[in-house]
Amino acid sequence: EVQLVESGGGLVQPGGSLRLSCAASGFPFGSSWMSWVRQAPGKGLEWVANIRLDGSEEYSVDSVKGRFTISRDNARDSLYLQMHSLRAEDTAVYYCAKVGGSGHFDYWGQGALVSVSS
Amino acid sequence: EIVLTQSPGTLSLSPGERATLSCRASQSVSGNYLAWYQQKPGQAPRLLIFGASSRATGIPDRFSGSGSGTDFTLTISRLEPEDSAVYYCQQYGGSPLFTFGPGTKVEIK
Repeated sequence: EVQLVESGGGLVQPGGSLRLSCAASGFPFGSSWMSWVRQAPGKGLEWVANIRLDGSEEYSVDSVKGRFTISRDNARDSLYLQMHSLRAEDTAVYYCAKVGGSGHFDYWGQGALVSVSS
Repeated sequence: EIVLTQSPGTLSLSPGERATLSCRASQSVSGNYLAWYQQKPGQAPRLLIFGASSRATGIPDRFSGSGSGTDFTLTISRLEPEDSAVYYCQQYGGSPLFTFGPGTKVEIK
């Protein structure tokens, strides 16, 4: 059974930093592109970043470029999102998601809530 | 930038009725890389359809996807009470790399 379990969410002040982790199991993690997708309270879904299976390529939405970094450790079957210079508009549930072959997200974690507030 | 527009915003139907949800892209979606998701309150999204028309594992056959280019449709042939949810479409390959539509809320009367 595929499982994605996020951790590391919480309350942080504007300008602060936070690191999210996602522990993967039940599939060959090192053979899969992975992504982070977020959802602000009461709003729709927004893709944040994704990373190639071997970590050699990364892509992100313009609004987080220069502030967020996606990374992975295939030896630990883990995905990370390092977030700096956090803003109120980054408040959201952050989902870890596995990327399927047609650019779809076939498995999702339960989400980690990040709240940016003073 | 590829923008996805979904209509209607809300759909209110009775059990057993047919639901037709539309997703329109501002530019052609390359490779028909268009997916549909179902999200219930407090839950993560669940993949329903990928590649515009392929059902994901374990998805009932009352869910079907169709379309190509800029116009895509998700059809729920016979609504069940548990189909009450928000449905999102998503494209891959444009700019930004992945974008989602704003969602259609399906209410079961």
